[in-house]
Amino acid sequence: AQSVTQPDIHITVSEGASLELRCNYSYGATPYLFWYVQSPGQGLQLLLKYFSGDTLVQGIKGFEAEFKRSQSSFNLRKPSVHWSDAAEYFCAVGEGGYSTLTFGKGTMLLVSP
Amino acid sequence: NAGVTQTPKFQVLKTGQSMTLQCAQDMNHEYMSWYRQDPGMGLRLIHYSVGAGITDQGEVPNGYNVSRSTTEDFPLRLLSAAPSQTSVYFCASSYSNWDSPLHFGNGTRLTVT
Repeated sequence: AQSVTQPDIHITVSEGASLELRCNYSYGATPYLFWYVQSPGQGLQLLLKYFSGDTLVQGIKGFEAEFKRSQSSFNLRKPSVHWSDAAEYFCAVGEGGYSTLTFGKGTMLLVSP
Repeated sequence: NAGVTQTPKFQVLKTGQSMTLQCAQDMNHEYMSWYRQDPGMGLRLIHYSVGAGITDQGEVPNGYNVSRSTTEDFPLRLLSAAPSQTSVYFCASSYSNWDSPLHFGNGTRLTVT
């Protein structure tokens, strides 16, 4: 069964600094990979997704992620964090024909002034 | 365009009571699902549906029932509430392909005493 690991429960970044959130997955074939963001009291919103092709994908709000098959990773990055980026971020994996997503446990991003 | 609407936003139940969490979407999405979110656990899939009349179990289905009589509605029933079901519940919908993002409702916060 597929699984998703987000090793960092909390990360604190200074405003203006760069950000990298880690995601590792366990799956045999080429997975469908996603990053979602959840603001307090809200549902989740899709940031970006990877299916195939270029391993560096761009998303909304200035985020990007890189798929590295050799490392089974799909890390999320942003060059300069804004205070409004404080939220919880979830990596998710899908497999095969359309079905369910498996979510990681999330990483809470705190942005310090 | 309302998207995914969940009601109620908050609910307190006593152990043993039953209730139904409502979910409706107006995007003509085939796929609908219910997740529960608990601190440190991420989102875990309870039940999902790929179309009217078709439902299936997710990772944590025990204690919950679902039905899908229409494309628009996907209610989640708690048969006999237990304190372990205290959680935030999210309904999500999408078209049945990986290119279609999941659209989430704003959640129902349920407390069982």
